[in-house]
Amino acid sequence: DAGVTQSPTHLIKTRGQQVTLRCSPKSGHDTVSWYQQALGQGPQFIFQYYEEEERQRGNFPDRFSGHQFPNYSSELNVNALLLGDSALYLCASSLYDGTGYSYEQYFGPGTRLTVT
Amino acid sequence: KNQVEQSPQSLIILEGKNCTLQCNYTVSPFSNLRWYKQDTGRGPVSLTIMTFSENTKSNGRYTATLDADTKQSSLHITASQLSDSASYICVVSVAGGFKTIFGAGTRLFVKA
Repeated sequence: DAGVTQSPTHLIKTRGQQVTLRCSPKSGHDTVSWYQQALGQGPQFIFQYYEEEERQRGNFPDRFSGHQFPNYSSELNVNALLLGDSALYLCASSLYDGTGYSYEQYFGPGTRLTVT
Repeated sequence: KNQVEQSPQSLIILEGKNCTLQCNYTVSPFSNLRWYKQDTGRGPVSLTIMTFSENTKSNGRYTATLDADTKQSSLHITASQLSDSASYICVVSVAGGFKTIFGAGTRLFVKA
């Protein structure tokens, strides 16, 4: 049973460019969340997808967008990259039980994005 | 405002010693609280998860406690090992929805 997978592992982009990160959730999970983690900081919530819709969003600009596919995999897109977007981007999957009481997230290994 | 605060920010201990990490939260309504271990450059790995009715949860040398009345949790690490060097993150989920609140983490360094 594969856990959460993310691709690519590392990525180097130039300011102003666009990037797409990908995430496949753990088997049986239907909810995907994306986080940005700057060096030495805790993860910051970007947004969460359930049933192919964005359900929650953190305090991130519209340059950050996402998508969830029918097979529950997800993409994170960032446009007009800034130096400050350099971070580890984490994807987490979970199974939404309708109440949130058994809402355990499993994290992927992350994608390290460097913007130069 | 929903917040999770962790202390200390960082901690250095000798191998074999015990330590306790703290987590205070103001999340409401409360669903569950999780402790994660995150090695540098890797994704967080779940250690324990507790609902409001659970006071203690153990996972090997890791023991988490939860006081829902004072909204405090602790993670106790027994007989620390060099491999325990990592960041430990406290995460609290809001009941009835999708929202989770992350603490900034405690950076633990275990020295030989």
